[in-house]
Amino acid sequence: DQQVKQNSPSLSVQEGRISILNCDYTNSMFDYFLWYKKYPAEGPTFLISISSIKDKNEDGRFTVFLNKSAKHLSLHIVPSQPGDSAVYFCAASVSGNQFYFGTGTSLTVIP
Amino acid sequence: DGGITQSPKYLFRKEGQNVTLSCEQNLNHDAMYWYRQDPGQGLRLIYYSQIVNDFQKGDIAEGYSVSREKKESFPLTVTSAQKNPTAFYLCASSTVGTAFYGYTFGSGTRLTVV
Repeated sequence: DQQVKQNSPSLSVQEGRISILNCDYTNSMFDYFLWYKKYPAEGPTFLISISSIKDKNEDGRFTVFLNKSAKHLSLHIVPSQPGDSAVYFCAASVSGNQFYFGTGTSLTVIP
Repeated sequence: DGGITQSPKYLFRKEGQNVTLSCEQNLNHDAMYWYRQDPGQGLRLIYYSQIVNDFQKGDIAEGYSVSREKKESFPLTVTSAQKNPTAFYLCASSTVGTAFYGYTFGSGTRLTVV
């Protein structure tokens, strides 16, 4: 049973616009949430994280929003750049013991 | 530079053979993990280890085996019992208790059964 879901397999955005990637989870005990970026034939790289005591975390062009009541997580990329084209995975854990990953969203930023 | 090294990058196996995927880290991380990635399925946990000489099954451990004789190394053996082994395999490591930064991943091994 998938505890972390990314319902959009793909997303296309014009360069300079905002990219919004969504993630839903079912386990209310999750307290750490991460986003990873992955290029083909490479391992995922850590992008940004948030703990359940916050509802927003920002790092440059990347902002993660957490809505605990809705069990929903989103990643905003502003402005989007062609180099952002990759697969983005969200992941969730209970105190970091084991992370559960979503199925990924493939982002294409069109120049 | 610290990191995780997976080898080989590409591996071909005949049906009925066992193969071992290597994973080495020099990050001094206590925990190590093996994930499998299939199209449309995200990352699924095969095995993990939080301490030397101890490891736990993940969600899809059947047909796989691991060992953790050294802190730096966590090899994965794909046995002939694994019915559908063709996939992209990722090794990761982390410091136990530092959830905010998640895992550090290797660059992966693509295994193809021919």
